[in-house]
Amino acid sequence: DGGITQSPKYLFRKEGQNVTLSCEQNLNHDAMYWYRQDPGQGLRLIYYSQIVNDFQKGDIAEGYSVSREKKESFPLTVTSAQKNPTAFYLCASSMGARTEAFFGQGTRLTVV
Amino acid sequence: QKEVEQNSGPLSVPEGAIASLNCTYSDRGSQSFFWYRQYSGKSPELIMSIYSNGDKEDGRFTAQLNKASQYVSLLIRDSQPSDSATYLCAVNIYSNSGYALNFGKGTSLLVTP
Repeated sequence: DGGITQSPKYLFRKEGQNVTLSCEQNLNHDAMYWYRQDPGQGLRLIYYSQIVNDFQKGDIAEGYSVSREKKESFPLTVTSAQKNPTAFYLCASSMGARTEAFFGQGTRLTVV
Repeated sequence: QKEVEQNSGPLSVPEGAIASLNCTYSDRGSQSFFWYRQYSGKSPELIMSIYSNGDKEDGRFTAQLNKASQYVSLLIRDSQPSDSATYLCAVNIYSNSGYALNFGKGTSLLVTP
């Protein structure tokens, strides 16, 4: 099955802990994205990557980090520096920079 | 900051009517435009993409693009209760040395039987 897989679906984290969200795609897409969605809000861009070993900050990158060591993988680390990390995190990928993006099923992170 | 704007709604239409959803964007250089549908608690799914001025039809959906007015819209004909969802407008915008998909906050659509 071709697609984008995010794991885990639900994640609970204690304050002060770093946590890594997984995103894997087997669509052979070059571009990958991470978004955050808060209740009743749209999607806000955290980081994006157009090619392997390169990525750019989005609008709300503070407190987050990413890597793109493989074409199919784009993990997101939510660090303890992120002040309000509880949110719905969405990973997406696209063939190129200007083509349509497809989403994984999302990871719902709750800080307890 | 380059923005994508949508009315938050809710937009309420009766079953069988036409629903009209609107979006404006600020970056004149944008060339790719998309509409996504998002059900509560789920991830967005792509409905339409449009790249050139004019109309693009796909089944009950029509996307309309006017680059001069920086305006993109989505029409849903013969609306069904299953169309009730949040509709997100997305635009490719150049920032930080690359293009990325930027989203509006979405319009909530309610189709009443």
